[in-house]
Amino acid sequence: DVKVTQSSRYLVKRTGEKVFLECVQDMDHENMFWYRQDPGLGLRLIYFSYDVKMKEKGDIPEGYSVSREKKERFSLILESASTNQTSMYLCASTLSGGNYGYTFGSGTRLTVV
Amino acid sequence: GENVEQHPSTLSVQEGDSAVIKCTYSDSASNYFPWYKQELGKRPQLIIDIRSNVGEKKDQRIAVTLNKTAKHFSLHITETQPEDSAVYFCAARMDSSYKLIFGSGTRLLVRP
Repeated sequence: DVKVTQSSRYLVKRTGEKVFLECVQDMDHENMFWYRQDPGLGLRLIYFSYDVKMKEKGDIPEGYSVSREKKERFSLILESASTNQTSMYLCASTLSGGNYGYTFGSGTRLTVV
Repeated sequence: GENVEQHPSTLSVQEGDSAVIKCTYSDSASNYFPWYKQELGKRPQLIIDIRSNVGEKKDQRIAVTLNKTAKHFSLHITETQPEDSAVYFCAARMDSSYKLIFGSGTRLLVRP
């Protein structure tokens, strides 16, 4: 019944490494999102995508990039990981054409050491 | 851009009491307001939502109210139970976008 899958639940990376976080949804949703969740700050939008090969910056895009080559997959890339990117990363998706809530993935807890 | 403020950040109630969480939003063009519940170690789950053409919506023990003039909306949980303990997030979205702007979250603790 799982509809949004994030490839890793926990990840530990070294400073300066290139990190890929993968998200796959099987609901044929057009819209996909990457948020980071930090205590006291809620969920902050990093990047989102309305369609294949389309992407838009969210509120905190610095240090991140994304890729959406296929409709079902939305990847978040940390080009050179830093300790301040240690966080919980949540992927979400939703349909177009109306007011629909998100379906979230289980999250990836990334620690950069 | 849109900004959503949520209060309180923590809330502790006795089992059986009511809990109210309040959010305000900045952009009057916002027209969709969902609430999410996130239990410890789990993904956020949509529990109720309201659209701007409706003032109140109920689903069993939970209800949401919306005041468009004042630009605030609230989550009401009645007859709270220990399993209601979680972090609750409000969010707002404009008609022109599919992105949600979230509040900072409220940690609700229901004491048995």
